[in-house]
Amino acid sequence: EAQVTQNPRYLITVTGKKLTVTCSQNMNHEYMSWYRQDPGLGLRQIYYSMNVEVTDKGDVPEGYKVSRKEKRNFPLILESPSPNQTSLYFCASSYGQPDTQYFGPGTRLTVL
Amino acid sequence: QKEVEQNSGPLSVPEGAIASLNCTYSDRGSQSFFWYRQYSGKSPELIMFIYSNGDKEDGRFTAQLNKASQYVSLLIRDSQPSDSATYLCADYNFNKFYFGSGTKLNVKP
Repeated sequence: EAQVTQNPRYLITVTGKKLTVTCSQNMNHEYMSWYRQDPGLGLRQIYYSMNVEVTDKGDVPEGYKVSRKEKRNFPLILESPSPNQTSLYFCASSYGQPDTQYFGPGTRLTVL
Repeated sequence: QKEVEQNSGPLSVPEGAIASLNCTYSDRGSQSFFWYRQYSGKSPELIMFIYSNGDKEDGRFTAQLNKASQYVSLLIRDSQPSDSATYLCADYNFNKFYFGSGTKLNVKP
């Protein structure tokens, strides 16, 4: 089954404790992206990747890191999480752009 | 600051009516525009995208793009209760996506 998977789905952590949210797709997509969704603000793009080893900042990259060592994986790293990073995070992928983006199920992160 | 604006709603329409959802964008350089539907607690899913001026139809959905006026709209014909969701407009510009905050649609039986 074609899909985008994210882990974990729910995470409660404390300020400053490094964490990684994994994202994997099995569709051989080149474009991958991370978003955060907050009430009243919609989806905001954090980082995107056009292909392996090619990443770039989206609209709200501060406090996040990403890497794209393999085509299928695009982890999101929060090296020192803060409460303002409490949000719902989505990973998405597509063959290219403009094209259909397939979204993962989301990761709900709470930073205390 | 690139902006995509949507009326948050809720927009209420009776079953069988046409629902009209609107979106404006600030950057004239934006290349493509997307409409996503998001049910409560679920991930966004693409309805359609448009990049040429005019109308694009897909089943009950029609996207309309007017680059001169910088607006995009989505028409849903014969609205069904299952269309009740939040509709997100997004523009794509130089590899980046910018989303509006979404319009909540309620279709009443």
